[in-house]
Amino acid sequence: EPEVTQTPSHQVTQMGQEVILRCVPISNHLYFYWYRQILGQKVEFLVSFYNNEISEKSEIFDDQFSVERPDGSNFTLKIRSTKLEDSAMYFCASSVGSRNTEAFFGQGTRLTVV
Amino acid sequence: SQQGEEDPQALSIQEGENATMNCSYKTSINNLQWYRQNSGRGLVHLILIRSNEREKHSGRLRVTLDTSKKSSSLLITASRAADTASYFCAPAGANNLFFGTGTRLTVIP
Repeated sequence: EPEVTQTPSHQVTQMGQEVILRCVPISNHLYFYWYRQILGQKVEFLVSFYNNEISEKSEIFDDQFSVERPDGSNFTLKIRSTKLEDSAMYFCASSVGSRNTEAFFGQGTRLTVV
Repeated sequence: SQQGEEDPQALSIQEGENATMNCSYKTSINNLQWYRQNSGRGLVHLILIRSNEREKHSGRLRVTLDTSKKSSSLLITASRAADTASYFCAPAGANNLFFGTGTRLTVIP
């Protein structure tokens, strides 16, 4: 069964460093998303991406964040200068259509900022 | 707020019992989706119910939707220990999927 894959599964970085989280969405999907979940809290929407551009972003997704689809398969989330409060699980998701279809989630990248 | 709010926050039942979780939302929707999350893992889609549907079944899952009350419920029948997880509703309207804090279900063997 096709799945969304995320790498790495765990990333430890020093505060102020840049990190890139990688995702390979399901191949025929057109909509891509990033969510994050701080330990014990809810799953928060960050950004959605369609047709090579951001279609929606939340207040969390400030200038420190960016997304890119550098080739036909990868979808990346970059955090330019990490803060302690960026420590969380980051989930990538993709879907065939937009809100009317189910989203498939990856297993997440646990980001720890020290 | 575009997200759903699940109730109760936590639910503990014996294996074999039924579990009912509720969801309320505030915006108009095209559909409402339920997801499950095992601890520390990604969300898994369970079921989608469209705004013109009132009830939908999938295996041991039964979902209802009342758009006049802006509420939905998820019933898991004959629960198993493996059903232990967090369950989230996601009302899907004009925007993307937003998740609430979920219901933490514990099924005791």
